[in-house]
Amino acid sequence: DTGVSQDPRHKITKRGQNVTFRCDPISEHNRLYWYRQTLGQGPEFLTYFQNEAQLEKSRLLSDRFSAERPKGSFSTLEIQRTEQGDSAMYLCASSSGASPYTEAFFGQGTRLTVV
Amino acid sequence: RKEVEQDPGPFNVPEGATVAFNCTYSNSASQSFFWYRQDCRKEPKLLMSVYSSGNEDGRFTAQLNRASQYISLLIRDSKLSDSATYLCVVSPFYNQGGKLIFGQGTELSVKP
Repeated sequence: DTGVSQDPRHKITKRGQNVTFRCDPISEHNRLYWYRQTLGQGPEFLTYFQNEAQLEKSRLLSDRFSAERPKGSFSTLEIQRTEQGDSAMYLCASSSGASPYTEAFFGQGTRLTVV
Repeated sequence: RKEVEQDPGPFNVPEGATVAFNCTYSNSASQSFFWYRQDCRKEPKLLMSVYSSGNEDGRFTAQLNRASQYISLLIRDSKLSDSATYLCVVSPFYNQGGKLIFGQGTELSVKP
């Protein structure tokens, strides 16, 4: 499978615990995005990488959230001290950025439930 | 005000109907525009890009009005398989990031 893959697909955690998600983009894509989606809403932008550089982080993202893309390939998203409000689907997407109309391909997401 | 706003849904239409979705965006410097489709519990997938001159792909027609900051999607002869959530997407400042900003989505349900 050469698409975007995310791991795990589902995560249930207790409030206050830390969680880490992984995203493997399509291999030749230099742009990688993280989004969060709750029921009935569109994906909300969290952060964005071009190669290993994190170019933008949403103002809505608290300091409990951190993302890395150490070698410009896979990326991790960590949430520290999880809260019930963090429960959502976390989506990763990648694109080649070759043109303004380059398609972004999404992974199937990691569904986080904080209890 | 949200950066991208869409018609509230859901839209319930019979097979064969024509349905139109509307979307407005707030950043006049936005450069790229798209419609994505998201099936229930699935990831979003690109339906079509939206070009300044408007474009058509089979039963789907997209229009862009930069002056009004307005995007539309028209679906003709709707099929049961068109049932999904349609997401209006805007990308500002391509050369400075290229992030995608999504509207809240409009749910379409096509009934027999």
